[in-house]
Amino acid sequence: DGGITQSPKYLFRKEGQNVTLSCEQNLNHDAMYWYRQDPGQGLRLIYYSQIVNDFQKGDIAEGYSVSREKKESFPLTVTSAQKNPTAFYLCASSIQQGTEAFFGQGTRLTVV
Amino acid sequence: DQQVKQNSPSLSVQEGRISILNCDYTNSMFDYFLWYKKYPAEGPTFLISISSIKDKNEDGRFTVFLNKSAKHLSLHIVPSQPGDSAVYFCAASGSSGNTPLVFGKGTRLSVIA
Repeated sequence: DGGITQSPKYLFRKEGQNVTLSCEQNLNHDAMYWYRQDPGQGLRLIYYSQIVNDFQKGDIAEGYSVSREKKESFPLTVTSAQKNPTAFYLCASSIQQGTEAFFGQGTRLTVV
Repeated sequence: DQQVKQNSPSLSVQEGRISILNCDYTNSMFDYFLWYKKYPAEGPTFLISISSIKDKNEDGRFTVFLNKSAKHLSLHIVPSQPGDSAVYFCAASGSSGNTPLVFGKGTRLSVIA
């Protein structure tokens, strides 16, 4: 079954700690994305990658970092520099940038 | 500056009636538009899309209309069912593929039995 998998579904982090969210896809898609959802804010783009070993900042990249060492994987690190990290994080992929994106089930990150 | 706007945060419709969700965009370079449906604590799922060369696309109970001159699109759901209750996001992109999808803030649809 092809799809996009995010793990874990729920994540708790102590203030001041870095945490990495996993995103894996077996759809053979070139493009991958990270979005953040906050109540009333819709989906805001954090980082995106069109191809392996290349990625660009989205609208709200500050306090986040990513890597794209493999086509299938696009992990997101939420660093201690992110001022309001508590949110619902969504990873997505598409055949190419700008086309229909398929989303994972999301990771709910809570800073305690 | 929001490039994709969904000005109605919520909408309530009776079961069996038509639901109309609206979306406006400001970027004239957008030429591909999509609607996604999202349940709480889940990822959005793709519903229907439309290219700017068309003004209507239909898929079962879902129809999307595009008015390029007004930079406006709408999603019609008929007949509405309780299972349609969810948040609906409008998204847009340009054919050049230089940017990822840009999403609106969403409209929460409640279908009342």
